[in-house]
Amino acid sequence: KQEVTQIPAALSVPEGENLVLNCSFTDSAIYNLQWFRQDPGKGLTSLLLIQSSQREQTSGRLNASLDKSSGRSTLYIAASQPGDSATYLCAVIYNQGGKLIFGQGTELSVKP
Amino acid sequence: EPEVTQTPSHQVTQMGQEVILRCVPISNHLYFYWYRQILGQKVEFLVSFYNNEISEKSEIFDDQFSVERPDGSNFTLKIRSTKLEDSAMYFCASMKQGYGYTFGSGTRLTVV
Repeated sequence: KQEVTQIPAALSVPEGENLVLNCSFTDSAIYNLQWFRQDPGKGLTSLLLIQSSQREQTSGRLNASLDKSSGRSTLYIAASQPGDSATYLCAVIYNQGGKLIFGQGTELSVKP
Repeated sequence: EPEVTQTPSHQVTQMGQEVILRCVPISNHLYFYWYRQILGQKVEFLVSFYNNEISEKSEIFDDQFSVERPDGSNFTLKIRSTKLEDSAMYFCASMKQGYGYTFGSGTRLTVV
């Protein structure tokens, strides 16, 4: 069964810390992997898309890496800010146009 | 930046009633999706739609559910006879080949 797991489930850090969120997937034959942010009661905002041929993607203070062979991705957030507080979701897709399979998310709280 | 638009943002309905959730995907996207998220749970795939037909559906998407693209811009999800367990946040998404998914802000459906 194709599953996605995210660790930790929740994380609380002081402002300014660098942090890493982890995502693992059971079937390594992914087509793409996408990281999303979800604020409470809101929709999903795309952060980064990594295609299967790529090793990493960067956007501002965010860097996502992908290791297909080990079935893992990490999202690195540099110099965290209170505005980064949200749930971060990892999702994989196994074929063009196919469905996203989501992890349960990591709930991040950045304290001022 | 182009957006996926969903209406209404919140709908309350009586058990057994029909509801229609509406979405306007991004205009040059060809793949369309519905997902749902029950409070506190993972985002779950319901159905994908491509080339004017369903391309994949989950086991959740039973005969009570249907999708339509009645014109060139709208994409709707109909639930024929709502149950209490249909209460969830419903997300519409669209995708263009080579790019990631874009999600709408969701419709919160409450069945009473």
